[in-house]
Amino acid sequence: SAVISQKPSRDICQRGTSLTIQCQVDSQVTMMFWYRQQPGQSLTLIATANQGSEATYESGFVIDKFPISRPNLTFSTLTVSNMSPEDSSIYLCSVDVWGGSYNEQFFGPGTRLTVL
Amino acid sequence: AQSVAQPEDQVNVAEGNPLTVKCTYSVSGNPYLFWYVQYPNRGLQFLLKYITGDNLVKGSYGFEAEFNKSQTSFHLKKPSALVSDSALYFCAVRERAGNTGKLIFGQGTTLQVKP
Repeated sequence: SAVISQKPSRDICQRGTSLTIQCQVDSQVTMMFWYRQQPGQSLTLIATANQGSEATYESGFVIDKFPISRPNLTFSTLTVSNMSPEDSSIYLCSVDVWGGSYNEQFFGPGTRLTVL
Repeated sequence: AQSVAQPEDQVNVAEGNPLTVKCTYSVSGNPYLFWYVQYPNRGLQFLLKYITGDNLVKGSYGFEAEFNKSQTSFHLKKPSALVSDSALYFCAVRERAGNTGKLIFGQGTTLQVKP
């Protein structure tokens, strides 16, 4: 298993500003993921972040809006840039951990972002 | 394209009664299938998964799910519901090929268990 922490747990931000969310894992992992959960919605993958390479973004998400860093095997950051109220969501970090026969995916507690 | 459907936005059951939360999927090949639960103001917690083997898989908190390949379904079940089971439940699918790690989630079903 993996224990994942995220900072901040929640924040209220002003339109036009940026927020960087941190994700820390208690073990080294290759694959890390960032998801967005808009109010009352399901989870949508923003990007996959592998250490040593640039993040791979899903359709509808771009690096200028959601820059991601992955400096080592236990840490990643997601920045939400030039925020608007539509960015109000829960942002979740997740990691893949080899379970012996299969990769299991564990999720962090999420960062609840409100943009005014 | 991969997709997951949870046809019910909300399921209401009385405590002690059996519960079913439905999930159907569309994916090429054989999928990995999952159920996650999200309690208010909490992150996602893993409940159970189907990888291979028995179609009936057992998971946390007394939940189980049945993989039905012909109906492309993976319904979540519990023989006797508890009020504490009230939460938001997500079904998810992941392709075996490529091992990209990407999970596709259903839209979620709110389970309300009443005393």
